[in-house]
Amino acid sequence: GAGVSQSPSNKVTEKGKDVELRCDPISGHTALYWYRQSLGQGLEFLIYFQGNSAPDKSGLPSDRFSAERTGGSVSTLTIQRTQQEDSAVYLCATRRTGVRDTGELFFGEGSRLTVL
Amino acid sequence: GNSVTQMEGPVTLSEEAFLTINCTYTATGYPSLFWYVQYPGEGLQLLLKATKADDKGSNKGFEATYRKETTSFHLEKGSVQVSDSAVYFCALRGPGNQFYFGTGTSLTVIP
Repeated sequence: GAGVSQSPSNKVTEKGKDVELRCDPISGHTALYWYRQSLGQGLEFLIYFQGNSAPDKSGLPSDRFSAERTGGSVSTLTIQRTQQEDSAVYLCATRRTGVRDTGELFFGEGSRLTVL
Repeated sequence: GNSVTQMEGPVTLSEEAFLTINCTYTATGYPSLFWYVQYPGEGLQLLLKATKADDKGSNKGFEATYRKETTSFHLEKGSVQVSDSAVYFCALRGPGNQFYFGTGTSLTVIP
């Protein structure tokens, strides 16, 4: 697609439920990042994919958080047994790699998660 | 380690005022530096970047110069407009293709 697409744009869930957030990258962007943006906070790094593998998952805050990427394209971030502190905007960003890498990250508009 | 510290907000300016948003960084090696902007209701987008010391990035009237000696990358604009109201993020690209962002500075420009 023309840009990074994230869904759902808004998700309200009850504490303890599982949620899945989806990111469709720009075609051909092999690098994909997930960040979390909480009110008044900066962007907190969660995980980085190069193709289907995740060389850096150091930012996942707990084992309730997991992410996968299939076919070097769509990525899903899963939060199990959600807690109120998981409420935030989850951002996906992608980047070209190799000789076309300008260093620029292309961001989606985010998925706003509210845990009641 | 790698980190970015930027000026706390929010910042409110009158139209045509001069803008400075401070950004300093800590990094290993010589990172690329970026400013991203997030307009209301939109995703972050690249505003400008600089890849080496003394480089000046510029776009839409905004400028920032990569100062290695002061480890800074301050954002400036000579005359802000209402349409510049947004949140601005300073960022660096560190080793391992990791990106580090500041906490963001909210700018409101009033007519």
